[in-house]
Amino acid sequence: DTGVSQNPRHKITKRGQNVTFRCDPISEHNRLYWYRQTLGQGPEFLTYFQNEAQLEKSRLLSDRFSAERPKGSFSTLEIQRTEQGDSAMYLCASSPTAGFYVYEQYFGPGTRLTVT
Amino acid sequence: GQQLNQSPQSMFIQEGEDVSMNCTSSSIFNTWLWYKQDPGEGPVLLIALYKAGELTSNGRLTAQFGITRKDSFLNISASIPSDVGIYFCAGQMNTGNQFYFGTGTSLTVIP
Repeated sequence: DTGVSQNPRHKITKRGQNVTFRCDPISEHNRLYWYRQTLGQGPEFLTYFQNEAQLEKSRLLSDRFSAERPKGSFSTLEIQRTEQGDSAMYLCASSPTAGFYVYEQYFGPGTRLTVT
Repeated sequence: GQQLNQSPQSMFIQEGEDVSMNCTSSSIFNTWLWYKQDPGEGPVLLIALYKAGELTSNGRLTAQFGITRKDSFLNISASIPSDVGIYFCAGQMNTGNQFYFGTGTSLTVIP
């Protein structure tokens, strides 16, 4: 399977715990994006990377949210001290930076977070 | 952030009918994408549009980039049950930067 993969697919955690999600982009894609999607809404942009550089992070929802892409391959999104309002689907997408399809973002299956 | 308005919000149609939906914005976009999302899954890219006035097809799907660059349209011909899902438009103002997503159109196809 050469698509974007995300792990875990589902995560249930108690309020106050930290959680970390992983995203593996399509192998030749340099750009990686994180989005959050709540029920009945479209995806909401959080942050993106080009290779290992985080080029936009002002949209991260609070300082409890952080993302890394240390070697320019997979990325992790961490939420510290989770709150019930963090319950959502967290989506990762990747895109190339060259070629005809440079503008197209391909999504993974998402990680569904439930905070109890 | 930017808000993209999609209409209609939901549609219930008979199998075989054609479907039209649209997406409007208060801002000008350089790229429009259309996605379909099934419950519990990530959005799947259907069509990408790069130029004002562009009309692009993918099988039974046809999408258009509005000439004002503030809107886009998606048509589905001869709908089938597997067309059921939520359709999202997404617009991008600058290359490589974030996409802004619409509110979605939920499509139900009645066999």
